[in-house]
Amino acid sequence: QKEVEQDPGPLSVPEGAIVSLNCTYSNSAFQYFMWYRQYSRKGPELLMYTYSSGNKEDGRFTAQVDKSSKYISLFIRDSQPSDSATYLCAMFISGNTGKLIFGQGTTLQVKP
Amino acid sequence: DAMVIQNPRYQVTQFGKPVTLSCSQTLNHNVMYWYQQKSSQAPKLLFHYYDKDFNNEADTPDNFQSRRPNTSFCFLDIRSPGLGDAAMYLCATSRDLGANEKLFFGSGTQLSVL
Repeated sequence: QKEVEQDPGPLSVPEGAIVSLNCTYSNSAFQYFMWYRQYSRKGPELLMYTYSSGNKEDGRFTAQVDKSSKYISLFIRDSQPSDSATYLCAMFISGNTGKLIFGQGTTLQVKP
Repeated sequence: DAMVIQNPRYQVTQFGKPVTLSCSQTLNHNVMYWYQQKSSQAPKLLFHYYDKDFNNEADTPDNFQSRRPNTSFCFLDIRSPGLGDAAMYLCATSRDLGANEKLFFGSGTQLSVL
């Protein structure tokens, strides 16, 4: 079993739709959670970072963490064609490990 | 302004021919990482430097080596590339080690092995 599971998609939605991207994880030692966006042939860029269970909002993006279920989500409201990219969840184990564990990534296409 | 710069963007090498990928950073971060990302897969950490201290992941093949001559530069050396080493290689930096540190990635080098 992979430490972090993420549905690779692809996910195709019309412009303006609400998008829900999800990851599950197996190790309860994961404490810090991130979402990265990766455009084709580019490096990942940090979108959202959260530690505690609950919701964190930044513009059209909302990150949700449920530690009891080992489940994290990223919601995108009013999706735009420029949101078309691969979205990678990532998480750190607490402590000074320096190792970020990524999910496989979900490819999103927003059609105009 | 690019903060983590990787060169070249695309690299083609021959089977068994040594190749070096480079990364530079203007952030003055202590930590530099190399990740390997194969098509439609999660980035996989190969190793990282904390300052001059090298930390190799247990499952990183011996074929992969790294050098960090100074704070700004880090190199990935692949001694004898095989077809299975074709991938995107991502360099990243963070200010320090720790779970609350944010990683900044370069645009990657796409390596092809013929």
